[in-house]
Amino acid sequence: GESVGLHLPTLSVQEGDNSIINCAYSNSASDYFIWYKQESGKGPQFIIDIRSNMDKRQGQRVTVLLNKTVKHLSLQIAATQPGDSAVYFCAENNNAGNMLTFGGGTRLMVKP
Amino acid sequence: EPEVTQTPSHQVTQMGQEVILRCVPISNHLYFYWYRQILGQKVEFLVSFYNNEISEKSEIFDDQFSVERPDGSNFTLKIRSTKLEDSAMYFCASSTDSDSPLHFGNGTRLTVT
Repeated sequence: GESVGLHLPTLSVQEGDNSIINCAYSNSASDYFIWYKQESGKGPQFIIDIRSNMDKRQGQRVTVLLNKTVKHLSLQIAATQPGDSAVYFCAENNNAGNMLTFGGGTRLMVKP
Repeated sequence: EPEVTQTPSHQVTQMGQEVILRCVPISNHLYFYWYRQILGQKVEFLVSFYNNEISEKSEIFDDQFSVERPDGSNFTLKIRSTKLEDSAMYFCASSTDSDSPLHFGNGTRLTVT
């Protein structure tokens, strides 16, 4: 039979605005979380990570927030640029030899 | 910046044929991985490899799959007898240790006809 692909949620933002991409993770035992960016035809590119003993971590223009109580992760991108347009995946490490479980992804579209 | 390189970028093969996908991980990395992404679906873990042996593997990684580090730089994924459902993007990744970010290559698109 025909396989059904994921319908990616899409976030459309104006250039210069801030973007917030959300992710719900599944395993309460996961202790390491990573955000990846995937542009068309390329592999996942590491953006930022956070460990479970933290609830916030900042990078250059990006911030990751972790809420372990509700198993929620978010990625904030400040002053979004056209080059930020991509699919963003969260991934969780359930402490099994760096075996990552990826989320379904969110497509970010930046309007000039 | 060092990167993971994969060859070929696109491989077309007939059902039942063997394919070998090749990867050169980042040189000082010790942990190596294969993931795959069927078109329109999530990225899925296949296998992790450390110290010349498999560390973890998923249910997808059955007897048709094998990995090898034939020399000090290459890391390969072999599919012995390809099936139509093996068509996907296959990503190689590497990391310095088991608890650090994975760095991915740009993938090999495998098309089984």
